[in-house]
Amino acid sequence: DTAVSQTPKYLVTQMGNDKSIKCEQNLGHDTMYWYKQDSKKFLKIMFSYNNKELIINETVPNRFSPKSPDKAHLNLHINSLELGDSAVYFCASSLGQGMETQYFGPGTRLLVL
Amino acid sequence: AQKITQTQPGMFVQEKEAVTLDCTYDTSDPSYGLFWYKQPSSGEMIFLIYQGSYDQQNATEGRYSLNFQKARKSANLVISASQLGDSAMYFCASLDDSWGKLQFGAGTQVVVTP
Repeated sequence: DTAVSQTPKYLVTQMGNDKSIKCEQNLGHDTMYWYKQDSKKFLKIMFSYNNKELIINETVPNRFSPKSPDKAHLNLHINSLELGDSAVYFCASSLGQGMETQYFGPGTRLLVL
Repeated sequence: AQKITQTQPGMFVQEKEAVTLDCTYDTSDPSYGLFWYKQPSSGEMIFLIYQGSYDQQNATEGRYSLNFQKARKSANLVISASQLGDSAMYFCASLDDSWGKLQFGAGTQVVVTP
C-alpha cells in the first residue's frame, strides 16, 4: 500500500498551459505539504495545509494554487506554466504540524517546453 | 530561519565500509529536529532517521546512526557496512518552528563501489 501517492508521475506540457498534480495520503495524517526540487536538487517548501487549512504559503507565484478537498488530499494547480516551473514536485504528509517526521510521495517530474 | 550546510557534494565509499556524511546547522531556537533523507536515482525521498534537540542519546536506525554534537551544531549521518543499494543522494534537514517548514541542505551524493 502506497502511503503518499502522487499523480501523474511525469508531466510534459507546453508553456502557457494549466496543469494539476494530485496527492493523496492514506496514513491518517493531518498535515500535508508541497515541495519543489529544482535542477540542482535543492528542495524548498511551497505550501502546507493542516486539516484543510492553509498554514504555510512561501514566496510562490500566485500561478500556483493548492487545494485541499479533505485532509487526505492536497492538489497543486499551476496556471500559465513557464519554463522555470520545470522541476520535481513532491507532496509530503506528517501526523501534525511542527516537529513531526514528513513522509514524501514519489514526486512528479514536470517539464515545461 | 534555520540554515543547513552539507559540505561534501559527493563521495565514494567501498562496499562494507562505513561512511560519515557531514551536516551542520545554524539555529538560535532551543527546540528543533534534525532529519536525514535518502534520494536514490529513482527519485523518491526516503526518511532515514530523526534526532530531537533534547534527545540525550544519538539516534540509531539499523545501519544508520546520527552523530549529534549539539555544541558544535552538527548532526552527521553514519552509514555502517555500506551496500551497493546505499548509492544515493542524502539530504540533511531541520525543523525549528511549529509550522513544519522543513529546511534542506544541498545534499551529498554517495556512490558505493564494489
